[in-house]
Amino acid sequence: AQSVTQLDSQVPVFEEAPVELRCNYSSSVSVYLFWYVQYPNQGLQLLLKYLSGSTLVKGINGFEAEFNKSQTSFHLRKPSVHISDTAEYFCAVSDYRGTYKYIFGTGTRLKVLA
Amino acid sequence: GAGVSQSPSNKVTEKGKDVELRCDPISGHTALYWYRQSLGQGLEFLIYFQGNSAPDKSGLPSDRFSAERTGGSVSTLTIQRTQQEDSAVYLCASSRTTETQYFGPGTRLLVL
Repeated sequence: AQSVTQLDSQVPVFEEAPVELRCNYSSSVSVYLFWYVQYPNQGLQLLLKYLSGSTLVKGINGFEAEFNKSQTSFHLRKPSVHISDTAEYFCAVSDYRGTYKYIFGTGTRLKVLA
Repeated sequence: GAGVSQSPSNKVTEKGKDVELRCDPISGHTALYWYRQSLGQGLEFLIYFQGNSAPDKSGLPSDRFSAERTGGSVSTLTIQRTQQEDSAVYLCASSRTTETQYFGPGTRLLVL
């Protein structure tokens, strides 16, 4: 069975500092990987995705993530955060068997401090 | 273009009542998913529709939950005899391909 682990439930960081949000997954088959952001009282917005090819993926709002197959990780990074990046971030995995449903991590609440 | 829409945005109901939640997917998207987001359980898959195929209901937590998708477009999630533990945000997502899902704003359900 697949699973996703986001070890950090909360990450406080000062504005303009770099940040890394960690995501590790477990799967016996190849997977697709996603990062979504959720602002308060809103749905999920896609930040970036890894399907195949280059392991470094760039997304919206200056975020990027690197797929590491040997470490089964897909960590999200941003070199310089802004107050507006304060939100909850979810890592998700799906495999291309059957339904392509997502298995989500428990989320990481990023709080950017002035 | 228009995104995924869900209605109502908020629903307050009494324990034991039935509720219906509606999802309008993005036009042309053949796949539709329902997820539930709750404090104790995080984001959980509930059900998946793909075209005219039989839905994958493997995530429905009990037989009080059901869903249908009419005409390959609009979907309704029905919860019968609601319980307080059903309180959550119900998210709908749709996709054209088999990979990226686009989410609606959710319906926030509160069972008193």
